[in-house]
Amino acid sequence: GQNIDQPTEMTATEGAIVQINCTYQTSGFNGLFWYQQHAGEAPTFLSYNVLDGLEEKGRFSSFLSRSKGYSYLLLKELQMKDSASYLCAVTDSNYQLIWGAGTKLIIKP
Amino acid sequence: NAGVTQTPKFRVLKTGQSMTLLCAQDMNHEYMYWYRQDPGMGLRLIHYSVGEGTTAKGEVPDGYNVSRLKKQNFLLGLESAAPSQTSVYFCASSQDQGPQPQHFGDGTRLSIL
Repeated sequence: GQNIDQPTEMTATEGAIVQINCTYQTSGFNGLFWYQQHAGEAPTFLSYNVLDGLEEKGRFSSFLSRSKGYSYLLLKELQMKDSASYLCAVTDSNYQLIWGAGTKLIIKP
Repeated sequence: NAGVTQTPKFRVLKTGQSMTLLCAQDMNHEYMYWYRQDPGMGLRLIHYSVGEGTTAKGEVPDGYNVSRLKKQNFLLGLESAAPSQTSVYFCASSQDQGPQPQHFGDGTRLSIL
């Protein structure tokens, strides 16, 4: 079966750095997305990785290792507005998006 | 700057009633999707469409029907609502199924009593 694992919840301090991990087992791989979803709102696109390595976008970076079936999202200089759920999603061999359950990130002052 | 618009935003139904959720996108996207999101679970694909006049089943299609008569609109129907269909429903669209991200509507919160 297809499976994506993320921690259910994480807590971090304002101004700090946090790493959210995602491991996947899917039938084929055609890219990995990270989305942010604030409570009661729609998911919004953060990043896309299809090749191994690190993609940096301002305070957010995403890393992919295809051989390990592993990705992480790194958030630096955390702000209170970063409190949200972070969703990992993998495009499988049929180009269907398989979604993880999301990691709820709580930022404390 | 509308993007993807869903109506209604909230609805309460009684078991056995029917209703249609509307989704409209103004980005000229080919692909459209209907998902449901339940606590503790990832987004689950109900139905999707790869272009005007086409529809296909996703992971959890039972109890739902869809239509895409116009490129910009994707309708999700519940023929006979059941309490198990209580969920938040998201519509999304994308230009393709590859590296282009999906753009989501604000969701419809549906409760079936």
